[in-house]
Amino acid sequence: QQQVKQSPQSLIVQKGGISIINCAYENTAFDYFPWYQQFPGKGPALLIAIRPDVSEKKEGRFTISFNKSAKQFSLHIMDSQPGDSATYFCAASMRQTGANNLFFGTGTRLTVIP
Amino acid sequence: DAGVTQSPTHLIKTRGQQVTLRCSPKSGHDTVSWYQQALGQGPQFIFQYYEEEERQRGNFPDRFSGHQFPNYSSELNVNALLLGDSALYLCASSLVGFGANVLTFGAGSRLTVL
Repeated sequence: QQQVKQSPQSLIVQKGGISIINCAYENTAFDYFPWYQQFPGKGPALLIAIRPDVSEKKEGRFTISFNKSAKQFSLHIMDSQPGDSATYFCAASMRQTGANNLFFGTGTRLTVIP
Repeated sequence: DAGVTQSPTHLIKTRGQQVTLRCSPKSGHDTVSWYQQALGQGPQFIFQYYEEEERQRGNFPDRFSGHQFPNYSSELNVNALLLGDSALYLCASSLVGFGANVLTFGAGSRLTVL
């Protein structure tokens, strides 16, 4: 059973556009929600993360929007660049199963067209 | 500052064989976690090691075992390999306590079981 559901599976965006990736979860015990970026041949790298006590977090062109009541969170990439082309994973963790036990979504392959 | 290093990068085994994968954590980190990433999927948590003991375990059979050494490096062992064990095996390190959620991943070891 997939604990974190991610959509879309793939996304094509023009350079300068906004990329939006969505994730949903059911387990209300989750208390940490990171986004990871993975390039081919590399391991995932932490991009940005949020805790459920805030509704939005912004770091440069990357923003997480968090809706606790809907149990959804999303990643927005503003002014998307070809260098952003990668696979993005949302994830979640909870204290009960350990901070290192991340439940990942299935990934979104983003392609930014020049 | 070296990040997480894993070896070997690629290996091919046949069904029923055993495999050992190795990981050196990022300098200053004391906790190692292992993940399995099947093709086109998000990583799945196998287990976590801290102070040379397995602290948390995901939904993986006992054929998957590990070890952590006094220098914090770690090994993942898989016995009686199955075709379904073919995947990218990722090692991630972190520092216990504050920031324990922040995982640094290696590039992985790609295992093919024939």
